[in-house]
Amino acid sequence: DGGITQSPKYLFRKEGQNVTLSCEQNLNHDAMYWYRQDPGQGLRLIYYSQIVNDFQKGDIAEGYSVSREKKESFPLTVTSAQKNPTAFYLCASSMGGGITEAFFGQGTRLTVV
Amino acid sequence: AQSVAQPEDQVNVAEGNPLTVKCTYSVSGNPYLFWYVQYPNRGLQFLLKYITGDNLVKGSYGFEAEFNKSQTSFHLKKPSALVSDSALYFCAVRAAPQTGANNLFFGTGTRLTVIP
Repeated sequence: DGGITQSPKYLFRKEGQNVTLSCEQNLNHDAMYWYRQDPGQGLRLIYYSQIVNDFQKGDIAEGYSVSREKKESFPLTVTSAQKNPTAFYLCASSMGGGITEAFFGQGTRLTVV
Repeated sequence: AQSVAQPEDQVNVAEGNPLTVKCTYSVSGNPYLFWYVQYPNRGLQFLLKYITGDNLVKGSYGFEAEFNKSQTSFHLKKPSALVSDSALYFCAVRAAPQTGANNLFFGTGTRLTVIP
């Protein structure tokens, strides 16, 4: 069954801790993306990767890091430097850019406690 | 710079009535336009896209959207709303590849409520 899998669905973090959100896709897509969703602000791009071992910062990359060692995987680490990490995080993938639509995972809700 | 505006945070419509969710965009060059729907605590689902050609695009679940280049708009429409259409709708734009930009920019979303 093809798709994008994000885990965990819910994540709780203590202040000062780093946490890693998982994103795996079996769609053979080249491009992968991480978005952050806050109420009333739509989706904001954190990082994106168009090919393995390459990634670019989006609009709100500060306090986040990513890796793209495999085509299928694009994990996001929320570091202690991110001042307001509580949000809904969405991973997406697409065949490339241009005309292709993006497919989204089910999201991870991160809460700082 | 690319941007998308969804001027209405909330749209209410009676079941069976036509619905419209508005979207305007700003992009250098030709736009690629997309509509997505999000149900509570879920990811986004793709509805339809405009790339080129006919200005009226048909998509999933009976939705359609009309591209208007002069008004830089891409409004989502459905002739007869269902209660199950109640969700959060996002418009998105990507500039044509010639501009070198590859990001998909999203609007802030419009919450559609269909009243039985």
